Amino acid sequence: DTAVSQTPKYLVTQMGNDKSIKCEQNLGHDTMYWYKQDSKKFLKIMFSYNNKELIINETVPNRFSPKSPDKAHLNLHINSLELGDSAVYFCASSPDAVGYGYTFGSGTRLTVV
Amino acid sequence: SQELEQSPQSLIVQEGKNLTINCTSSKTLYGLYWYKQKYGEGLIFLMMLQKGGEEKSHEKITAKLDEKKQQSSLHITASQPSHAGIYLCGADIGGSYIPTFGRGTSLIVHP
Repeated sequence: DTAVSQTPKYLVTQMGNDKSIKCEQNLGHDTMYWYKQDSKKFLKIMFSYNNKELIINETVPNRFSPKSPDKAHLNLHINSLELGDSAVYFCASSPDAVGYGYTFGSGTRLTVV
Repeated sequence: SQELEQSPQSLIVQEGKNLTINCTSSKTLYGLYWYKQKYGEGLIFLMMLQKGGEEKSHEKITAKLDEKKQQSSLHITASQPSHAGIYLCGADIGGSYIPTFGRGTSLIVHP
């Protein structure tokens, strides 16, 4: 069983479209994250939820909105996609908000054309 | 400036050679973890170090956190092509709850 699963794995879309990336973890972890990996392989945190509550909200455009219907799911919705949004997005989870013992999803490669 | 510095940025070695990757911070690292990312795939957790001087091994990969808890080294003995990928260190720096990652080290192992 996949511990942290992201869908879709690849997403190609046109500028201006709205898209969502889904993330689910079956580890029973309390905390989930969204990271953006830039072209230089550097991971930057975007959001973090602990038990469905937003605890980390880094400076990202408000076109990005996370949604956590329960603690096992953290979806990322992006409105009005721009070329600069193209990147690999990683979902992750950890047992608690301190962050030790991260488990990452396999990533979603978003390409905006 | 980068809070967690990884070096080298890239490494190309011949199969069978030993190598070391370093992860350094000017602040105390509370929980230092190493990940590996195979090209085109997701990150895989390798090991976590918490105590100063702690050392852990996983197969031919050994990681150590120094006594000051500001530097960790990851050492691979007798490298194999399967070791190729990006090695990423991450840590909770200075007690912050926002996790920080290094930029990663790209490792290529030639047969």
